[in-house]
Amino acid sequence: LAKTTQPISMDSYEGQEVNITCSHNNIATNDYITWYQQFPSQGPRFIIQGYKTKVTNEVASLFIPADRKSSTLSLPRVSLSDTAVYYCLLAGYSSASKIIFGSGTRLSIRP
Amino acid sequence: EAGVAQSPRYKIIEKRQSVAFWCNPISGHATLYWYQQILGQGPKLLIQFQNNGVVDDSQLPKDRFSAERLKGVDSTLKIQPAKLEDSAVYLCASSLAGFGESDEQFFGPGTRLTVL
Repeated sequence: LAKTTQPISMDSYEGQEVNITCSHNNIATNDYITWYQQFPSQGPRFIIQGYKTKVTNEVASLFIPADRKSSTLSLPRVSLSDTAVYYCLLAGYSSASKIIFGSGTRLSIRP
Repeated sequence: EAGVAQSPRYKIIEKRQSVAFWCNPISGHATLYWYQQILGQGPKLLIQFQNNGVVDDSQLPKDRFSAERLKGVDSTLKIQPAKLEDSAVYLCASSLAGFGESDEQFFGPGTRLTVL
């Protein structure tokens, strides 16, 4: 059962801001929204996590509207090294929650 | 700080053979995850351990896959017998607790399995 929906792919250019939106209409009350980045031949790497409103760290921002049915990962001023697959994940912190990665968004950054 | 260690990195076997993967999580991490990632897809959780107890193994094909985490530290995932469709990267991850606000998963490099 897919819990999240993301665009399959996106293209952008160096120096641009990239926004990747994830839809999660059936998000549960105890679900947190987490984003991971994966480069070829590597395991996924944690980027950011949030529950509501806005979260910002040194690499990205995460915007979550009040209804929490979607979220947007914002990458400021991307570079070629940001070319990767980005996964939106709902992680509910209880033993009854299921961890389900979607198919991810393949982001390609061009010079 | 050492990351999640996995071995072997690559394995090629013939169908109906057996194979085992090993994972050593980050020291102090209570939760350990095994994922299967087929080319072009996102990781699929096979099993989640909290210390040495199973939290979720709903997507583990139990007729051929088994996993254990003795003593709540390192873990092994076994496939017996392997099928062609088991060709994938097997990722191990660990997290501090498994529950809570900032429970980031740290992934190992994975084991790429090819079944011929």
